[in-house]
Amino acid sequence: DIQMTQSPSSLSASVGDRVTITCRASESIRDYLNWYQQKSGKAPKLLIYAASSLQSGVPSRFSGSGSGTDFTLTINSLQPEDFATYYCQQSYITPPWTFGQGTKVEIK
Amino acid sequence: QITLKESGPTLVKPTQTLTLTCTFSGFSHSTSGVAVGWIRQPPGKALEWLAIVYWDDDKRYSPSLKSRLTITKDTSKNQVVLTMTNMDPVDTGTYYCTHSIHNLKIDAFDIWGQGTMVTVSS
Repeated sequence: DIQMTQSPSSLSASVGDRVTITCRASESIRDYLNWYQQKSGKAPKLLIYAASSLQSGVPSRFSGSGSGTDFTLTINSLQPEDFATYYCQQSYITPPWTFGQGTKVEIK
Repeated sequence: QITLKESGPTLVKPTQTLTLTCTFSGFSHSTSGVAVGWIRQPPGKALEWLAIVYWDDDKRYSPSLKSRLTITKDTSKNQVVLTMTNMDPVDTGTYYCTHSIHNLKIDAFDIWGQGTMVTVSS
């Protein structure tokens, strides 16, 4: 199975900050990388697919980049509604589809 | 508008079989590239993919759980059913039904149900 490792596991940030979350795959997954946002008590929501494509309806302050083994999710100008846990997920070698352990973005 | 909703028991005993039903609307499970599957999340932990059934009835399972899982689809009822045998307390968590698209452009779980919490305890 391909292992997905996110860093950091958690971070504290203020409204208006730029936030960067990193995801590393245990082997190359080309650009088969998706990002999800999960708010407390809610189901995950797809934000970014294919490493850098913004899902319909997702604000443009979210962006994704990377290919191969290293990927980044960036949130420009963090908003109050962005405080949540973020997961990366690979869809290159499946099954299984595997997720990172999550990054919790908290209010500073 | 695509919606999915999970249903099933909230409490099961160890060694019992769990049966969860996903009832969906807003799409056809016969459309090429479409799949419905299940993902779970233990309390406070990360997401774990379990199983998927494609539009052509092709099925895939988590290798670590394959012996315990069965996924079936009933296109006429717009339902997908997941069964998991020999339940254990470590299987406690929220179980999500997902709609996904698999083609050259996208391979992602784009719509999720609200989830159903399952507790395994005697």
